[in-house]
Amino acid sequence: QSALTQPPSASGSPGQSVTISCTGTSSDVGGHNYVSWYQQHPGKAPKLMIYEVRKRPSGVPDRFSGSKSANTASLTVSGLQAEDEADYYCSSYADSDNFVFGTGTKVTVL
Amino acid sequence: EVPLVESGGGLVQPGGSLRLSCTTSGFTLYNNWMHWVRQGPGKGLVWVSRVNSIDSVRHYADSVKGRFTISRDNAMNTLYLQLSSLTVEDTAVYYCVSGGYPAAFDVWGQGTTVTVS
Repeated sequence: QSALTQPPSASGSPGQSVTISCTGTSSDVGGHNYVSWYQQHPGKAPKLMIYEVRKRPSGVPDRFSGSKSANTASLTVSGLQAEDEADYYCSSYADSDNFVFGTGTKVTVL
Repeated sequence: EVPLVESGGGLVQPGGSLRLSCTTSGFTLYNNWMHWVRQGPGKGLVWVSRVNSIDSVRHYADSVKGRFTISRDNAMNTLYLQLSSLTVEDTAVYYCVSGGYPAAFDVWGQGTTVTVS
């Protein structure tokens, strides 16, 4: 199972928006509505930010939103804040009852 | 209170074995899919294995199939991962993760480090 493809980096100024893409195949992202997104600060465990493509767990700000089109999912962070600077990973349920993560994107708040 | 606590990591030689444990508090392991996810030094997240909640069916990534075994002790509220035939590529932080949301990883432990050298 190959990792989902994410851009290595993304950046934006405080208050701006940044969108991260996550590209897979019809066997994972395109074939299932089970895409999730994780935020990871250095030295910390990941935190679930989005599940089932666009749903937010309790406590996650509505500045974080998810979407999907064909084999590509996206995470948008609106109104960027300093604490949003972190690594972000997508994940998808895949055929054969497996899971696959993305390659990760480092978001920098300028 | 930390709901998931991993232990059992350490330094092991190539070809060796190790057993990781994950104890839970505050919720019942039996009710959720439980996973192991690993992260190599400076690398991304990799899903390793999962055990289902009701039927305890197990699934593995191709990279560990036949070498790792996931199991759960519902009475002890503990998840395990038996690692064998270890290679340097297995060096990573191993996270115990609960799948409380559909096909997502919602509660993460702090991780335990396995170094194969």
